[in-house]
Amino acid sequence: GENVEQHPSTLSVQEGDSAVIKCTYSDSASNYFPWYKQELGKGPQLIIDIRSNVGEKKDQRIAVTLNKTAKHFSLHITETQPEDSAVYFCAARVGSYQLTFGKGTKLSVIP
Amino acid sequence: DAGVIQSPRHEVTEMGQEVTLRCKPISGHDYLFWYRQTMMRGLELLIYFNNNVPIDDSGMPEDRFSAKMPNASFSTLKIQPSEPRDSAVYFCASSPGTGGVNEQFFGPGTRLTVL
Repeated sequence: GENVEQHPSTLSVQEGDSAVIKCTYSDSASNYFPWYKQELGKGPQLIIDIRSNVGEKKDQRIAVTLNKTAKHFSLHITETQPEDSAVYFCAARVGSYQLTFGKGTKLSVIP
Repeated sequence: DAGVIQSPRHEVTEMGQEVTLRCKPISGHDYLFWYRQTMMRGLELLIYFNNNVPIDDSGMPEDRFSAKMPNASFSTLKIQPSEPRDSAVYFCASSPGTGGVNEQFFGPGTRLTVL
């Protein structure tokens, strides 16, 4: 089955700096790659996603890039703010609706 | 819409007891997912339903776990008997499944502690 590796597991940045989280996947048939943000005591919430026919997608301060050849995708957060502090999960989907999640990255934005 | 609703939010029980977790998906969503989250294993898919029918239960760890979806607005995840290693946060999520919308909407989770 699909295997998703995510790193780093923890990331600390100064407010205003950029943060980058990287994921690799194993199944070349994966066609959908969402990123979820989980705040303390809450369920994960989708923040951005990308399909396999797109190389990059941006939404305000958040962007995701996909390299199908290398089978990796990344989340970029620019101008980080304290409210960006959370755990971020990448995921990959093969075919239907089953997502395989990475282990998560705990992002801390230091004011 | 209130989003995905889960109950209880916290459950503390003793080993050997039966535990039932409940989920109400977002109205109109055709897919329902049950996940387990632990520090060691992260987010794991246990089972998912399409139009109330279980599609893939390969993630259910043991026969002690069972899930049902008797109608489009309700699902349960039951553990019988419970064991300390079942302690985790259990999430329910739903997805529209139509119109190309892939997003899974997660509930707030149930934190289960088995003593």
